[in-house]
Amino acid sequence: KAGVTQTPRYLIKTRGQQVTLSCSPISGHRSVSWYQQTPGQGLQFLFEYFSETQRNKGNFPGRFSGRQFSNSRSEMNVSTLELGDSALYLCASSFVGEGNSPLHFGNGTRLTVT
Amino acid sequence: AQTVTQSQPEMSVQEAETVTLSCTYDTSESDYYLFWYKQPPSRQMILVIRQEAYKQQNATENRFSVNFQKAAKSFSLKISDSQLGDAAMYFCAYREGTYKYIFGTGTRLKVLA
Repeated sequence: KAGVTQTPRYLIKTRGQQVTLSCSPISGHRSVSWYQQTPGQGLQFLFEYFSETQRNKGNFPGRFSGRQFSNSRSEMNVSTLELGDSALYLCASSFVGEGNSPLHFGNGTRLTVT
Repeated sequence: AQTVTQSQPEMSVQEAETVTLSCTYDTSESDYYLFWYKQPPSRQMILVIRQEAYKQQNATENRFSVNFQKAAKSFSLKISDSQLGDAAMYFCAYREGTYKYIFGTGTRLKVLA
């Protein structure tokens, strides 16, 4: 089975621009979550989607948004980029239905805002 | 609110020795799951071990084992016979329900040859 695929791996943007990140989950996984990882802050939860519905959202400004498609692929969008948005963005999928089913992560997208 | 604390930003261990990484969490729930993830320089987070809170027996996966103390809300990871490939960031994570995860800030493990 193919793992979680995130594209692109690296992005360089300037302040004020917007960016879209993509995530393809493991086949059969309908839950997709997004996390922001910065040094010293660990992983901060952005949002989680299941069957095209956002079930939970973290404490991030409205500039951060996402969506999920019928094939469970997900995209995350950040508008009006700020320098502080520079981070590693991780996508994770999981199989809902097994109690101890863990998150399966992709390799992440490294976003640099200049 | 639930929190996960990893009080050791960095740890070092000699190859073939044993090291324990600490994790404490705060919750009022009785049913939850705990995980340890490893993040090597390749950036991909890899599941190391998981523990269901309702199970009293500590989970083990080869050289990796946990010391789960539910009353103390402690979930430490023990790595035996450390190998160079164990060098990575280790994250402790708490989950309640099916999708709400909270991660600690991580512990960087260095393995010395």
